Amino acid sequence: EPEVTQTPSHQVTQMGQEVILHCVPISNHLYFYWYRQILGQKVEFLVSFYNNEISEKSEIFDDQFSVERPDGSNFTLKIRSTKLEDSAMYFCASRGQAPNEKLFFGSGTQLSVL
Amino acid sequence: GDSVTQMEGPVTLSEEAFLTINCTYTATGYPSLFWYVQYPGEGLQLLLKATKADDKGSNKGFEATYRKETTSFHLEKGSVQVSDSAVYFCALSLDQTGANNLFFGTGTRLTVIP
Repeated sequence: EPEVTQTPSHQVTQMGQEVILHCVPISNHLYFYWYRQILGQKVEFLVSFYNNEISEKSEIFDDQFSVERPDGSNFTLKIRSTKLEDSAMYFCASRGQAPNEKLFFGSGTQLSVL
Repeated sequence: GDSVTQMEGPVTLSEEAFLTINCTYTATGYPSLFWYVQYPGEGLQLLLKATKADDKGSNKGFEATYRKETTSFHLEKGSVQVSDSAVYFCALSLDQTGANNLFFGTGTRLTVIP
């Protein structure tokens, strides 16, 4: 089965640093998503992306966050100035355009902000 | 707001034991309900879903029935196997396909011992 690939699997960064999380969605998919899970808490929706623009975002997705599809295959999440509370597992997901298409998730990037 | 609450883990069972993982929801509209599973080192995968009251979703021996009267969607399996060891997430979406803006629970880690 096709899969969504996320790199790196673990990322450690210092507070205040910029970090970019990478995702390669399934090749013919058109809708892209980022979710995150802080340890012990719920998996939370961050943002959805379609046709090169954000289609929906949550309250969590403030000005410190941005997403980009730089080259037609990658889908990145950037955090400009990381905070301790950004430490979480970040999941990328994608889906195709047909009705009833299901979401395919990556295995996640564990971000630790020190 | 829309949310799900699922049974906290971890849950440890012997092989062939009966499994129940409880999930209740709160929703403003008529949600679709989902169970996702995350096996070690992999992304979240859709396990089963139900889109309206009294629907039963089933897959790989797992079942869950959409109960509107109790706002529940409990996951059950009659006889678990070691290979079922994973983290299970209950989720809801106001989008029937569950492709947009899923609300997840915290996840329940299941360990099945031989």
